[in-house]
Amino acid sequence: KAGVTQTPRYLIKTRGQQVTLSCSPISGHRSVSWYQQTPGQGLQFLFEYFSETQRNKGNFPGRFSGRQFSNSRSEMNVSTLELGDSALYLCASSPSDYNEQFFGPGTRLTVL
Amino acid sequence: AQSVTQLDSHVSVSEGTPVLLRCNYSSSYSPSLFWYVQHPNKGLQLLLKYTSAATLVKGINGFEAEFKKSETSFHLTKPSAHMSDAAEYFCVVSDRGAGSYQLTFGKGTKLSVIP
Repeated sequence: KAGVTQTPRYLIKTRGQQVTLSCSPISGHRSVSWYQQTPGQGLQFLFEYFSETQRNKGNFPGRFSGRQFSNSRSEMNVSTLELGDSALYLCASSPSDYNEQFFGPGTRLTVL
Repeated sequence: AQSVTQLDSHVSVSEGTPVLLRCNYSSSYSPSLFWYVQHPNKGLQLLLKYTSAATLVKGINGFEAEFKKSETSFHLTKPSAHMSDAAEYFCVVSDRGAGSYQLTFGKGTKLSVIP
């Protein structure tokens, strides 16, 4: 089985722009979660989707949003980018609740 | 609420010596616990998981961890460190029965292996 894929792998944006990141989970996995990783804050949970429904959301401002499609692929969007949004964004998929999550390689976002 | 504390931000060992990475957790319900490893510029890879079966869990690459409920600990060990073990390790907790599905990560422990 192919692993979790994320596109693009690298992205450079300027303040005020918006960005959309994409994640394709492992085939058959219906749960997709997103995380932000920074040197200062570590790994922080953004949100989790299951069957196109957001089930859980972390403590991030409304500029961060996401969605999941019927084929389980997911996107996350960040609007009005700030310098502090520079981070590695990781997507993970899971076959069912309370199981381990399988991570993609991440998208490294740099905001200038 | 669930939380994870990794007691050391950086551990340095010599090649061939034992590795101990410490993790304490807090959970309101029956937790699932995981250890993940992240090599530089890579995603996270699952090393092992505990889900209320055997308390001593064996993982990949010779790592194992013991779940101790009385101590709320889930320390990661390996008998003999290899140069390829140099990476960052994350202890992770997921509450079962909490009505939501969310992994909570520790801050990470960076393992250095000295030749």
